[in-house]
Amino acid sequence: EADIYQTPRYLVIGTGKKITLECSQTMGHDKMYWYQQDPGMELHLIHYSYGVNSTEKGDLSSESTVSRIRTEHFPLTLESARPSHTSQYLCASGTGPYNQPQHFGDGTRLSIL
Amino acid sequence: QKEVEQNSGPLSVPEGAIASLNCTYSDRGSQSFFWYRQYSGKSPELIMFIYSNGDKEDGRFTAQLNKASQYVSLLIRDSQPSDSATYLCAVWNTGFQKLVFGTGTRLLVSP
Repeated sequence: EADIYQTPRYLVIGTGKKITLECSQTMGHDKMYWYQQDPGMELHLIHYSYGVNSTEKGDLSSESTVSRIRTEHFPLTLESARPSHTSQYLCASGTGPYNQPQHFGDGTRLSIL
Repeated sequence: QKEVEQNSGPLSVPEGAIASLNCTYSDRGSQSFFWYRQYSGKSPELIMFIYSNGDKEDGRFTAQLNKASQYVSLLIRDSQPSDSATYLCAVWNTGFQKLVFGTGTRLLVSP
């Protein structure tokens, strides 16, 4: 079972604040992903990384940025939060070639006032 | 056409019945297929994965893959109210080298 941790679980914060959502995994997985999901809606890939110092933008345009300085850590940052950023953010990790599944963290539910 | 398509549902079945969830995909080169369960407000949880044509069974769950017809299905036997959730089909897209999720099918199991 994959161990992947996201903090905080819930965050309510005002507009204009800088936010960093943390994601860490203890499995040594090389691949990590960030998804955005509104309630009852589909998952949207916003960022991914296939290893240290590797980051790519996903399908959904996002004003967030990510970094991958350490294998186990893949934080997501919003420089200036807006109400449109209100959503659930899910981090996932995986390893190996195409036939290995992704495992998800518990998510961060973000509300921007 | 979406890369991975699922009927959004809800699919309603009585307790004890077999629930059949279907998924079609467009990338003929896809080789890996995954089913996730997502309870409301929670993150997706991996249930099963399948790589080869045919059936794969794990407890009450059976995944079925037909690459020629480009569909994958999930059967849940002896459905329980606790199975009520959204089931996400995910397919590894060989062209873009990423996992593509369907929009999910909502399953309701009534007691």
